Amino acid sequence: QSVLTQPPSASGTPGQRVTISCSGSSSNIGSNTVNWYQQLPGTAPKLLIYSNNQRPSGVPDRFSGSKSGTSASLAISGLQSEDEADYYCAAWDDSLNGPWVFGGGTKLTVL
Amino acid sequence: EVQLVESGGGLVQPGGSLRLSCAASGFTFSSYWMSWVRQAPGKGLEWVANIKQDGSEKYYVDSVKGRFTISRDNAKNSLYLQMNSLRAEDTAVYYCAREPTERPFDYWGQGTLVTVSS
Repeated sequence: QSVLTQPPSASGTPGQRVTISCSGSSSNIGSNTVNWYQQLPGTAPKLLIYSNNQRPSGVPDRFSGSKSGTSASLAISGLQSEDEADYYCAAWDDSLNGPWVFGGGTKLTVL
Repeated sequence: EVQLVESGGGLVQPGGSLRLSCAASGFTFSSYWMSWVRQAPGKGLEWVANIKQDGSEKYYVDSVKGRFTISRDNAKNSLYLQMNSLRAEDTAVYYCAREPTERPFDYWGQGTLVTVSS
């Protein structure tokens, strides 16, 4: 059971816009920034979005992030087949369980 | 180019020990917090532990407290994870990741597989 809650799956057709949600609490998303990671099959995760809505250099502007209260979202516009991957949200948690918590991950399928 | 290369994984019996290493290059290792993150087969990511630049602060997820120890050697640009009293549920790919304050986990290694089984 992950501290941050994500839908297990999402899907879309090429060119569509899809969003992936991430729900937390006041001790994590509610008081800290959210980061998103993309994990292509068989590879290590890659930083996709940091500080809620910032893209590292090299990440296409088709990817965007937002945060409101204790929830965050990742949006992918102009969906492409190479976007098929697992996506994870993460945030610092102020509780005693440990500094970092991840969502359970969302498997994105491009139909 | 930033590179993180893990090693030390393998098959170990329940109750056994293993030491993972992560060799860093391409950046000033001593300037960054570093973390270990694991992924059980077919499961999601789980943060395991992290360590401050000078090793003076260390944090662990509850499930490994008292069993795992994170350490670093800045002279050797290396991060370590000593894992004792291993359990089946510790079976996972273990990644080391750089942890700059402004862009957490911006670089990851390729991972090393730890399998705990009799």
